[in-house]
Amino acid sequence: QQPVQSPQAVILREGEDAVINCSSSKALYSVHWYRQKHGEAPVFLMILLKGGEQKGHEKISASFNEKKQQSSLYLTASQLSYSGTYFCGTGWEAGGTSYGKLTFGQGTILTVHP
Amino acid sequence: EAGVVQSPRYKIIEKKQPVAFWCNPISGHNTLYWYLQNLGQGPELLIRYENEEAVDDSQLPKDRFSAERLKGVDSTLKIQPAELGDSAVYLCASSAQGNEQFFGPGTRLTVL
Repeated sequence: QQPVQSPQAVILREGEDAVINCSSSKALYSVHWYRQKHGEAPVFLMILLKGGEQKGHEKISASFNEKKQQSSLYLTASQLSYSGTYFCGTGWEAGGTSYGKLTFGQGTILTVHP
Repeated sequence: EAGVVQSPRYKIIEKKQPVAFWCNPISGHNTLYWYLQNLGQGPELLIRYENEEAVDDSQLPKDRFSAERLKGVDSTLKIQPAELGDSAVYLCASSAQGNEQFFGPGTRLTVL
């Protein structure tokens, strides 16, 4: 029940936009987005909870479509520092032993060139 | 605020040898996670603690892996004996009330 991310990789020039999708076959309660640079720990970007909300973080924002069981991460006017692997982590239960448990996608490699 | 601390950062051992990883979570974070990350893959949960209780260890290969979180603070993950397929990065993360998870730098294990 690992979420599926698309695309697997994307190459951009500075200033271009990108969208990364995360789809689940199971009803979602939460979606967490992380960015990981080579050899480093994943860094938290944002969390979206059930309710179809959209969140923003500088030029990075995300949406959560409960009906489609999907979340999308939007990177606008990309910078060199955006390069890395983006992971979505999905959570399915609001309570019980599953609360706080995330299952991560396989990652999307984003490369930004000057 | 100090982040999640892990040690060692790198470990090289021969197969069949034991190995242990240590993690100190962010102060006040009651939830602690151990993940395994293979090259080019997302983190996979091994075990999750709420304070000192292991609430989810369904993914932990219990024949060779063990973990403990005494006093509900730092934690140790052990492999005995290690196999070639255990080579990976072992990540520790912590969170408060099951919210966003903060990851440590990880331990890169190489089994020869």
